[in-house]
Amino acid sequence: EDKVVQSPLSLVVHEGDTVTLNCSYEVTNFRSLLWYKQEKKAPTFLFMLTSSGIEKKSGRLSSILDKKELFSILNITATQTGDSAIYLCAGQIGSNYKLTFGKGTLLTVNP
Amino acid sequence: DVKVTQSSRYLVKRTGEKVFLECVQDMDHENMFWYRQDPGLGLRLIYFSYDVKMKEKGDIPEGYSVSREKKERFSLILESASTNQTSMYLCASSQPARKAFFGQGTRLTVV
Repeated sequence: EDKVVQSPLSLVVHEGDTVTLNCSYEVTNFRSLLWYKQEKKAPTFLFMLTSSGIEKKSGRLSSILDKKELFSILNITATQTGDSAIYLCAGQIGSNYKLTFGKGTLLTVNP
Repeated sequence: DVKVTQSSRYLVKRTGEKVFLECVQDMDHENMFWYRQDPGLGLRLIYFSYDVKMKEKGDIPEGYSVSREKKERFSLILESASTNQTSMYLCASSQPARKAFFGQGTRLTVV
């Protein structure tokens, strides 16, 4: 059975803190790993990672994939209240590119 | 911009009714997905389709069926709605090996 596991499931920090969100996977025929941010509506895309060791960066957010150890991290530096959201990790799997999600990490950033 | 449109934002149905949730995408994507989202459980894959008339079961297909007669449209069918199917339903579409785009979701309540 394909599994994507995120940790922690929830996290409360203060503005300005740096956070690291974790995503591990046990899947057959791994293709890529994706990160999404979900506020009150539809998830919005953050990153897609296919190769190990190459950091992707967008402003204060960055992410990296380790295909040997089967995990990815999402870092957010200098957090702001607008970063409060559910962060979802998904594995793209198999010859038909099925997309399987973890349970998400609920991040709350307090002022 | 890619548009994924779900036919209803809110839906209230009675137990035992047959329910159709419709999803349409405008970017000629091969893959389409149906998820349900419940607090603390993340996005769970119900079914996905990788081509017209082609489908694959996800993690929680019981009580659901799907139809994809045209490339742009993917329907989720609840044959006989039950109260434990009250949830947020999200549709997504993608090209293989590319990021997925989500619809705005349908909040279904079964009474």
